[in-house]
Amino acid sequence: DAGVIQSPRHEVTEMGQEVTLRCKPISGHNSLFWYRQTMMRGLELLIYFNNNVPIDDSGMPEDRFSAKMPNASFSTLKIQPSEPRDSAVYFCASGWTGGVEPQHFGDGTRLSIL
Amino acid sequence: AQSVTQLDSQVPVFEEAPVELRCNYSSSVSVYLFWYVQYPNQGLQLLLKYLSGSTLVKGINGFEAEFNKSQTSFHLRKPSVHISDTAEYFCAVTDYNTDKLIFGTGTRLQVFP
Repeated sequence: DAGVIQSPRHEVTEMGQEVTLRCKPISGHNSLFWYRQTMMRGLELLIYFNNNVPIDDSGMPEDRFSAKMPNASFSTLKIQPSEPRDSAVYFCASGWTGGVEPQHFGDGTRLSIL
Repeated sequence: AQSVTQLDSQVPVFEEAPVELRCNYSSSVSVYLFWYVQYPNQGLQLLLKYLSGSTLVKGINGFEAEFNKSQTSFHLRKPSVHISDTAEYFCAVTDYNTDKLIFGTGTRLQVFP
């Protein structure tokens, strides 16, 4: 079975540019999570969706960040405008509601903002 | 609110030695507990989980963990480590009220030959 697929794997861009990260969850999963990982702050939950609906976006750092899930098989995380402090590895994970099913992680997008 | 504490940020150990990575949690309700491993340039991969029942849980790659409710701990152990076990290990907690995983800050296991 295909796991969680993230694209691109690496992104390097200049500050001020719009960045869009993409995620395809595992087929059949109904929860999707976006995380950010940095050396300083560790692993942070940014937002999560249940059945395509955003449930908790309290981890989204500021209005420059937005996330959408237009259907069960696709989600995007957008940063506009990007800043150097947004440089991090961004992970997408999917799972089932209820907490019992462990989340499955993608391999991440390594984002560098120059 | 739930929280997870991983007491050791780094654990150096020689190959074939035993290892224990410590994890303590706090929660006001019954919890589900997980250990994940992250190899360089990869996402997190589930090692094992505790949902209920037997307090000793066995996972992949020879790892096991023991749930101790009285000490609110879920320590990860392996009797004999390999070089390939070098990675970052994360403990996480959740409960039936939420889908959110609360992660610890991670423990870097470095296995030396």
